[in-house]
Order: sequence, then C-alpha cells, then structure tokens
Amino acid sequence: AQTVTQSQPEMSVQEAETVTLSCTYDTSESDYYLFWYKQPPSRQMILVIRQEAYKQQNATENRFSVNFQKAAKSFSLKISDSQLGDAAMYFCAYRTSGNTPLVFGKGTRLSVIA
Amino acid sequence: NAGVTQTPKFRVLKTGQSMTLLCAQDMNHEYMYWYRQDPGMGLRLIHYSVGEGTTAKGEVPDGYNVSRLKKQNFLLGLESAAPSQTSVYFCASSSRLISPVYNEQFFGPGTRLTVL
Repeated sequence: AQTVTQSQPEMSVQEAETVTLSCTYDTSESDYYLFWYKQPPSRQMILVIRQEAYKQQNATENRFSVNFQKAAKSFSLKISDSQLGDAAMYFCAYRTSGNTPLVFGKGTRLSVIA
Repeated sequence: NAGVTQTPKFRVLKTGQSMTLLCAQDMNHEYMYWYRQDPGMGLRLIHYSVGEGTTAKGEVPDGYNVSRLKKQNFLLGLESAAPSQTSVYFCASSSRLISPVYNEQFFGPGTRLTVL
C-alpha cells in the first residue's frame, strides 16, 4: 500500500522568508501524481501545486515550487517570500496514474511570524 | 456553479443516534469520495464511488454506509454514532477522464460532527 509521510508536524517562518516542507512517499508504481494541498482555518482544501512523476522538471506556481526527487521518493514544497496568508495546514498527497483516491500525509502546520 | 456542497456544516449527535451527510456536486463528475479528518491524522478515505450505483470501501469504512443513487449526490450514513466518529468529514469529486489536469479532486467545505 502506498504511504505518505510528513515528518514535520509544525513549522514556522518569518514573513518574507523562505520555508521548505518535507514529504516522502512509498510506492512501487512508476507513474503517479503528487500534490500539495493547503488548508487554512476556513477548513477549505485548496490545491497548491501538483507534479507528474514522469516529468523531471519541478513544478512551480508563483511563490510555490517543489523539489521532486523520484529516486529518493521525496517531494518537498518550497514557499518563497512567505506571507501571513500562507499560514495553514499543508498536506502532501499521492495517487496512482489511474483515477484512484488520494492518499494523504498527516500534515504540517505552518505558522508565519510577522 | 456551486462546485461541491455538503449538508449540514455542523452537527452534534448523541451516542447511538443516526444521521446522513449529504454531498452534492454540479460538475458532472463520475467519482466521489468521503474522507474524515482527525487531528494529527490527515485525511483518511472512508468510502468512494466511481459511478452511479457503485461504491467501494476505503481505509476506514467501519461504522459508515454510503449510497450513490444519483450521479450528483453521495450520501454518508452513520447508523449508530459513536464518540470515535467525532471528526470533520470532507466530500470530494473528480472526473473519470485521464486529463492533463490530473483529475483534480474538488473538495466540499466539510462537516464538523461531534458525537457525545
């Protein structure tokens, strides 16, 4: 069974600084997708960024980027120029290339210090 | 478009009571999911459906039943609520098409359920 591990329950970052959230996963599949979701206090799940496993190029979305290391099964999220609105729970998620349900990590709570 | 909606948003039950959570989506999605979120546990899959009239068990199905009588609705039932079912419940939906947007799952706003 696939598993997703987020080893940092809590992180903090100074406003305008950069922070990296870690995620590792375990799978025997060669083709799959990885995601980072943000959950602010409103509880709404918001897709931040996604990565296809066969793509070597790391995905970027404005201030958010990933470091995808397929051989190491690592998928970290980097947030640059952190803003107060980035404070939230962040979940790493995985699914196979078929249309299967997502498997989530336990989350990392990010605090942004003004 | 409303996207994915969930009814109710909050509910308090006593042990042994029953209730049904309703999820509705207006995106014509084939796939629908129910997750529960507990502190320190992330989101865990309860049941899911790949189409009208079909359901399948997820990681934590015990104590829950589901039905998908209409494509746009996915119901989650608790027949005899227990305190261990206190949680936040999320519904999500996605298209069955394999597309460049990776079949993004769209989430509802969640239902906070407390069982006393």
